[in-house]
Amino acid sequence: NAGVMQNPRHLVRRRGQEARLRCSPMKGHSHVYWYRQLPEEGLKFMVYLQKENIIDESGMPKERFSAEFPKEGPSILRIQQVVRGDSAAYFCASSPDRVGEQFFGPGTRLTVL
Amino acid sequence: QQPVQSPQAVILREGEDAVINCSSSKALYSVHWYRQKHGEAPVFLMILLKGGEQKGHDKISASFNEKKQQSSLYLTASQLSYSGTYFCLIQGAQKLVFGQGTRLTINP
Repeated sequence: NAGVMQNPRHLVRRRGQEARLRCSPMKGHSHVYWYRQLPEEGLKFMVYLQKENIIDESGMPKERFSAEFPKEGPSILRIQQVVRGDSAAYFCASSPDRVGEQFFGPGTRLTVL
Repeated sequence: QQPVQSPQAVILREGEDAVINCSSSKALYSVHWYRQKHGEAPVFLMILLKGGEQKGHDKISASFNEKKQQSSLYLTASQLSYSGTYFCLIQGAQKLVFGQGTRLTINP
């Protein structure tokens, strides 16, 4: 059973471009969470999705950021018109239910030039 | 609101014990504990779902005091591999919030 997969592992974008981060949860997991981590800081919750539904997006900036988890395929975190402040590690995690342990992917390190 | 972890950092010699606390100002439904090594993803340690629950494996255990709205992680006879940053993740009223982390350094 493969773990949580994220790609790309590293992403470099220039200011104003779009960044698309992908997360494939563990097999059998229908709950996906996205977190952002700035260097030397803790993890900040962004959004929680269950297949085709956004359950809680209270941690996600209202502009430029969006997330989806379609019926087929990976979950996508999309950042439009990136700015330097978006540079961070973005982790996704999956779990089999709402209260269970979360399994983290290796993260995508986004650098905005 | 972000739970408060204490201490923020601790340095131990191999074989010593440590306690890391996680306190919330709001009612908790569950508490998770994770360890993250530098440059890596967080790794799940354990989850406590009920007030008063205690869990443990190997030399790492945790307790959850629902009334005090806090959880404690106990590391006994620490090993070099225990080094890393420990985070609690609290769940209350559908909100998920990580603590700011406790950096643990184990020296030989």
